[in-house]
Amino acid sequence: AQKVTQAQTEISVVEKEDVTLDCVYETRDTTYYLFWYKQPPSGELVFLIRRNSFDEQNEISGRYSWNFQKSTSSFNFTITASQVVDSAVYFCALSGFLTGGGNKLTFGTGTQLKVEL
Amino acid sequence: GAGVSQSPRYKVTKRGQDVALRCDPISGHVSLYWYRQALGQGPEFLTYFNYEAQQDKSGLPNDRFSAERPEGSISTLTIQRTEQRDSAMYRCASSSQSNQPQHFGDGTRLSIL
Repeated sequence: AQKVTQAQTEISVVEKEDVTLDCVYETRDTTYYLFWYKQPPSGELVFLIRRNSFDEQNEISGRYSWNFQKSTSSFNFTITASQVVDSAVYFCALSGFLTGGGNKLTFGTGTQLKVEL
Repeated sequence: GAGVSQSPRYKVTKRGQDVALRCDPISGHVSLYWYRQALGQGPEFLTYFNYEAQQDKSGLPNDRFSAERPEGSISTLTIQRTEQRDSAMYRCASSSQSNQPQHFGDGTRLSIL
């Protein structure tokens, strides 16, 4: 079975601080994808990134960066110089090619990020 | 369309009634998915389609839940004889191919009284 654990339920930071959201996953698949989605207060679910299990290169997109470490089954997300607009619930998700057919997303329970002035 | 469109945005109904939730995927997207999200939780998979074929319905909770996508575009998720425990946000997503990222609609908030 697949499982995604986001141990941080809620994080509060002051604007301009850096913050890292943790994600740990379990899967028996050797090929899988990892995802991050953002759910702002308005409620929509916004796709941020997808990584293939064969590609462990870290990725940076503006103030966002992702650290994928297969050895620890983690896919952490860092926001640099956080802003109030970053306040949202962030979900980590996993899809596996065998157990999930490559399509079914298994989500974590989410981390609520609050960025205050 | 520009994004995944779901209707209605909100649905309040009495226990025992049937409800139909509609999803209009991004134009040209082959794959369509349904998820259910309880308050404070992440979305949970219900079912998915490639074109009009239902490929996986392992997440449907029981036989009161069904879904169809007869022409490979718009999909309907139907819940018969609704119960209070069916109250949740129902989200639809689509992707250009089955192995591509899923893009979600704004969801239908279903409340069963």
